[in-house]
Amino acid sequence: AQTVTQSQPEMSVQEAETVTLSCTYDTSESDYYLFWYKQPPSRQMILVIRQEAYKQQNATENRFSVNFQKAAKSFSLKISDSQLGDAAMYFCAYRSANGANSKLTFGKGITLSVRP
Amino acid sequence: SAVISQKPSRDICQRGTSLTIQCQVDSQVTMMFWYRQQPGQSLTLIATANQGSEATYESGFVIDKFPISRPNLTFSTLTVSNMSPEDSSIYLCSVGGGQFLNEQFFGPGTRLTVL
Repeated sequence: AQTVTQSQPEMSVQEAETVTLSCTYDTSESDYYLFWYKQPPSRQMILVIRQEAYKQQNATENRFSVNFQKAAKSFSLKISDSQLGDAAMYFCAYRSANGANSKLTFGKGITLSVRP
Repeated sequence: SAVISQKPSRDICQRGTSLTIQCQVDSQVTMMFWYRQQPGQSLTLIATANQGSEATYESGFVIDKFPISRPNLTFSTLTVSNMSPEDSSIYLCSVGGGQFLNEQFFGPGTRLTVL
Protein backbone atom coordinates (compact mmCIF):
# COMPACT_ATOMS: atom_id res chain seq x y z
CA ALA A 1 0.00 0.00 0.00
CA GLN A 2 1.09 3.51 -0.71
CA THR A 3 1.74 5.99 2.08
CA VAL A 4 2.28 9.74 2.09
CA THR A 5 4.10 11.47 4.92
CA GLN A 6 4.04 15.14 5.80
CA SER A 7 6.08 15.45 8.96
CA GLN A 8 5.69 19.19 9.54
CA PRO A 9 2.27 20.00 11.04
CA GLU A 10 2.70 23.76 10.81
CA MET A 11 4.83 26.34 9.07
CA SER A 12 4.94 30.10 8.97
CA VAL A 13 6.33 32.45 6.34
CA GLN A 14 6.69 36.18 6.01
CA GLU A 15 4.72 37.78 3.24
CA ALA A 16 6.79 38.02 0.00
CA GLU A 17 9.25 35.39 1.23
CA THR A 18 9.69 31.81 0.01
CA VAL A 19 8.64 28.69 1.87
CA THR A 20 9.10 24.99 1.16
CA LEU A 21 6.67 22.32 2.31
CA SER A 22 8.01 18.79 2.57
CA CYS A 23 6.43 15.51 1.52
CA THR A 24 7.72 11.98 1.19
CA TYR A 25 5.90 8.92 -0.06
CA ASP A 26 6.34 5.21 -0.33
CA THR A 27 5.28 3.05 -3.25
CA SER A 28 6.38 0.04 -5.22
CA GLU A 29 4.87 1.39 -8.44
CA SER A 30 6.93 3.07 -11.12
CA ASP A 31 4.18 5.15 -12.69
CA TYR A 32 2.03 7.46 -10.61
CA TYR A 33 0.94 11.04 -10.02
CA LEU A 34 1.71 13.36 -7.16
CA PHE A 35 -0.36 16.35 -6.19
CA TRP A 36 -0.39 19.27 -3.84
CA TYR A 37 -3.84 20.45 -2.78
CA LYS A 38 -4.70 23.60 -0.90
CA GLN A 39 -7.63 23.76 1.51
CA PRO A 40 -8.48 27.26 2.77
CA PRO A 41 -10.95 27.83 5.61
CA SER A 42 -13.77 27.59 3.06
CA ARG A 43 -12.76 23.86 3.00
CA GLN A 44 -12.84 23.71 -0.82
CA MET A 45 -10.00 21.50 -2.03
CA ILE A 46 -8.01 23.32 -4.71
CA LEU A 47 -5.41 21.64 -6.88
CA VAL A 48 -2.16 23.60 -6.66
CA ILE A 49 0.17 21.52 -8.79
CA ARG A 50 0.55 18.06 -10.31
CA GLN A 51 3.60 15.98 -11.18
CA GLU A 52 3.71 12.89 -13.36
CA ALA A 53 6.30 10.43 -12.12
CA TYR A 54 7.59 9.64 -15.60
CA LYS A 55 8.53 13.28 -16.15
CA GLN A 56 11.95 14.30 -14.92
CA GLN A 57 11.20 17.98 -15.21
CA ASN A 58 9.77 19.58 -12.09
CA ALA A 59 6.28 21.01 -12.47
CA THR A 60 5.79 24.76 -12.14
CA GLU A 61 2.62 26.83 -11.83
CA ASN A 62 3.29 30.55 -11.46
CA ARG A 63 4.63 31.04 -7.90
CA PHE A 64 4.37 27.34 -7.11
CA SER A 65 7.00 24.79 -8.03
CA VAL A 66 7.97 21.33 -6.90
CA ASN A 67 11.21 19.52 -6.26
CA PHE A 68 10.49 15.96 -7.32
CA GLN A 69 13.15 13.44 -6.38
CA LYS A 70 11.88 10.08 -7.59
CA ALA A 71 14.71 7.96 -6.22
CA ALA A 72 14.38 9.56 -2.81
CA LYS A 73 10.55 9.48 -3.05
CA SER A 74 10.41 13.12 -2.12
CA PHE A 75 8.00 15.75 -3.42
CA SER A 76 8.35 19.19 -1.86
CA LEU A 77 6.36 22.31 -2.74
CA LYS A 78 8.01 25.70 -2.98
CA ILE A 79 5.88 28.82 -2.74
CA SER A 80 7.64 31.96 -3.89
CA ASP A 81 6.62 35.54 -3.09
CA SER A 82 4.17 34.30 -0.46
CA GLN A 83 0.85 36.12 -0.26
CA LEU A 84 -1.69 36.39 2.52
CA GLY A 85 -4.09 34.34 0.41
CA ASP A 86 -1.67 31.42 0.49
CA ALA A 87 -2.54 30.79 4.13
CA ALA A 88 -4.30 27.42 4.19
CA MET A 89 -3.84 23.76 4.87
CA TYR A 90 -1.76 22.00 2.21
CA PHE A 91 -2.03 18.32 1.45
CA CYS A 92 0.36 16.17 -0.51
CA ALA A 93 -1.35 13.30 -2.33
CA TYR A 94 -0.45 10.23 -4.34
CA ARG A 95 -2.39 8.49 -7.07
CA SER A 96 -1.53 5.41 -9.05
CA ALA A 97 -1.35 5.76 -12.82
CA ASN A 98 -3.30 2.51 -13.04
CA GLY A 99 -6.64 3.75 -14.31
CA ALA A 100 -8.50 1.11 -12.32
CA ASN A 101 -7.21 2.59 -9.09
CA SER A 102 -7.76 6.33 -9.25
CA LYS A 103 -8.16 7.00 -5.55
CA LEU A 104 -5.98 9.58 -3.84
CA THR A 105 -3.90 8.84 -0.78
CA PHE A 106 -3.32 11.96 1.30
CA GLY A 107 -0.70 13.03 3.78
CA LYS A 108 -1.75 14.49 7.12
CA GLY A 109 -1.43 18.02 5.82
CA ILE A 110 0.45 21.09 6.92
CA THR A 111 -1.03 24.37 8.10
CA LEU A 112 0.70 27.33 6.49
CA SER A 113 0.34 30.77 8.00
CA VAL A 114 1.54 33.93 6.27
CA ARG A 115 2.70 36.87 8.40
CA PRO A 116 1.99 40.35 7.01
CA SER B 1 -12.75 20.56 -15.41
CA ALA B 2 -15.72 19.31 -13.41
CA VAL B 3 -18.03 21.39 -11.25
CA ILE B 4 -19.38 19.50 -8.26
CA SER B 5 -22.17 20.52 -5.92
CA GLN B 6 -23.14 18.90 -2.65
CA LYS B 7 -26.29 19.09 -0.60
CA PRO B 8 -26.64 19.92 2.21
CA SER B 9 -23.66 22.16 2.81
CA ARG B 10 -24.01 21.60 6.52
CA ASP B 11 -26.35 19.95 8.99
CA ILE B 12 -26.76 19.34 12.67
CA CYS B 13 -28.29 15.97 13.49
CA GLN B 14 -29.35 13.99 16.51
CA ARG B 15 -27.67 10.82 17.59
CA GLY B 16 -29.24 7.70 16.07
CA THR B 17 -30.62 9.39 12.98
CA SER B 18 -29.40 9.14 9.38
CA LEU B 19 -28.41 11.79 6.85
CA THR B 20 -28.15 11.45 3.08
CA ILE B 21 -25.66 13.66 1.27
CA GLN B 22 -26.09 14.32 -2.42
CA CYS B 23 -23.34 14.91 -4.95
CA GLN B 24 -24.07 16.28 -8.42
CA VAL B 25 -21.48 16.69 -11.20
CA ASP B 26 -21.91 18.85 -14.29
CA SER B 27 -20.52 16.16 -16.61
CA GLN B 28 -20.52 12.40 -16.86
CA VAL B 29 -17.75 10.84 -14.84
CA THR B 30 -16.49 7.32 -14.45
CA MET B 31 -15.50 7.25 -10.84
CA MET B 32 -16.87 9.10 -7.84
CA PHE B 33 -15.27 9.03 -4.44
CA TRP B 34 -16.49 9.83 -0.96
CA TYR B 35 -14.01 11.11 1.61
CA ARG B 36 -14.32 11.91 5.28
CA GLN B 37 -12.32 14.67 6.93
CA GLN B 38 -12.51 14.69 10.70
CA PRO B 39 -11.84 18.00 12.46
CA GLY B 40 -8.26 19.16 11.85
CA GLN B 41 -7.38 15.93 10.08
CA SER B 42 -6.58 14.74 6.58
CA LEU B 43 -8.95 13.18 4.10
CA THR B 44 -9.75 9.49 4.39
CA LEU B 45 -11.40 7.61 1.55
CA ILE B 46 -14.67 5.96 2.53
CA ALA B 47 -15.57 4.30 -0.75
CA THR B 48 -15.39 4.43 -4.52
CA ALA B 49 -18.68 4.51 -6.40
CA ASN B 50 -18.87 3.30 -9.97
CA GLN B 51 -22.08 3.52 -11.92
CA GLY B 52 -23.74 0.17 -12.41
CA SER B 53 -21.84 -1.68 -9.72
CA GLU B 54 -21.67 -1.81 -5.97
CA ALA B 55 -19.44 0.66 -4.20
CA THR B 56 -16.01 -0.48 -3.07
CA TYR B 57 -15.38 0.31 0.59
CA GLU B 58 -12.05 0.98 2.23
CA SER B 59 -10.90 -0.82 5.32
CA GLY B 60 -12.79 0.40 8.36
CA PHE B 61 -15.90 1.47 6.45
CA VAL B 62 -18.92 -0.76 5.88
CA ILE B 63 -21.95 -0.57 3.66
CA ASP B 64 -24.42 -0.79 6.55
CA LYS B 65 -23.01 2.37 8.06
CA PHE B 66 -22.30 4.27 4.83
CA PRO B 67 -24.63 3.05 2.08
CA ILE B 68 -23.90 4.65 -1.30
CA SER B 69 -25.99 4.96 -4.41
CA ARG B 70 -24.76 5.73 -7.92
CA PRO B 71 -27.82 5.75 -10.17
CA ASN B 72 -26.16 7.47 -13.13
CA LEU B 73 -22.91 9.03 -14.32
CA THR B 74 -23.53 12.46 -12.79
CA PHE B 75 -24.99 11.73 -9.37
CA SER B 76 -24.25 9.87 -6.16
CA THR B 77 -25.47 9.82 -2.58
CA LEU B 78 -23.78 8.87 0.66
CA THR B 79 -25.88 8.07 3.72
CA VAL B 80 -24.42 8.26 7.19
CA SER B 81 -26.56 5.85 9.20
CA ASN B 82 -27.31 5.59 12.90
CA MET B 83 -25.10 8.58 13.58
CA SER B 84 -23.02 9.15 16.69
CA PRO B 85 -20.93 12.20 17.67
CA GLU B 86 -17.86 10.42 16.24
CA ASP B 87 -19.41 10.84 12.79
CA SER B 88 -19.07 14.61 13.05
CA SER B 89 -16.87 15.42 10.06
CA ILE B 90 -16.73 17.04 6.69
CA TYR B 91 -17.80 14.67 3.93
CA LEU B 92 -16.43 15.39 0.48
CA CYS B 93 -17.44 14.07 -2.89
CA SER B 94 -14.75 13.80 -5.54
CA VAL B 95 -14.53 12.71 -9.16
CA GLY B 96 -11.65 11.33 -11.17
CA GLY B 97 -10.55 8.72 -13.67
CA GLY B 98 -11.73 8.47 -17.24
CA GLN B 99 -11.56 11.87 -18.88
CA PHE B 100 -10.16 13.22 -15.60
CA LEU B 101 -7.30 10.77 -15.44
CA ASN B 102 -4.74 13.44 -14.59
CA GLU B 103 -6.74 15.24 -11.96
CA GLN B 104 -9.32 14.81 -9.27
CA PHE B 105 -11.96 17.42 -8.48
CA PHE B 106 -13.69 17.96 -5.18
CA GLY B 107 -17.06 19.21 -4.12
CA PRO B 108 -17.38 21.92 -1.46
CA GLY B 109 -18.03 19.38 1.27
CA THR B 110 -20.83 18.78 3.77
CA ARG B 111 -20.12 19.73 7.37
CA LEU B 112 -21.96 17.32 9.66
CA THR B 113 -22.34 17.82 13.39
CA VAL B 114 -23.93 15.06 15.45
CA LEU B 115 -25.22 15.95 18.90
